[in-house]
Amino acid sequence: GQNIDQPTEMTATEGAIVQINCTYQTSGFNGLFWYQQHAGEAPTFLSYNVLDGLEEKGRFSSFLSRSKGYSYLLLKELQMKDSASYLCAVRDGDYKLSFGAGTTVTVRA
Amino acid sequence: ETGVTQTPRHLVMGMTNKKSLKCEQHLGHNAMYWYKQSAKKPLELMFVYSLEERVENNSVPSRFSPECPNSSHLFLHLHTLQPEDSALYLCASSQAEGESGANVLTFGAGSRLTVL
Repeated sequence: GQNIDQPTEMTATEGAIVQINCTYQTSGFNGLFWYQQHAGEAPTFLSYNVLDGLEEKGRFSSFLSRSKGYSYLLLKELQMKDSASYLCAVRDGDYKLSFGAGTTVTVRA
Repeated sequence: ETGVTQTPRHLVMGMTNKKSLKCEQHLGHNAMYWYKQSAKKPLELMFVYSLEERVENNSVPSRFSPECPNSSHLFLHLHTLQPEDSALYLCASSQAEGESGANVLTFGAGSRLTVL
């Protein structure tokens, strides 16, 4: 089976940095994804890692260690609009994407 | 219209009703998906269609019946549902290019289903 763990909630201050960790145990691995979901809206794609290391995209970075079954999403210079749920997902095979339960990030002024 | 469109956005139905959820993608993708999202739980993959053929069926009860008439449209037919089926049903599409491709999913905004 698939097991993907991430913290339920995190709170941070505007302008700060937050790191959301994700650990996974899956039967296969074809890449790790991070999605952002605002309340009442569709999840939107943030990042994709398939090789070990750091991928940077503006204020957001994602890291992967396949040997440790571990990833993190780093959000820098937090803004109020970054308050959302962040979903970690692992792809197993061509189509199957298994998700964690999501981390709700609240940014306070 | 752009992206992935789902209708209706909200649906309330009784346990004996029959209804359908509709999804349309305008991205030229070759794969479409149904996911179920319940509060505080991970998204659950229900069905995957690639080139209009069902390629994944994740032990979903038969009261949920998918239909993919062409690569742009996906339906989820609902009948004799239970209250525990109340959830957000998300449709997604992707351009699947085998195991080496990223196969990024684009989601619709979802259909919020309440079963009374």
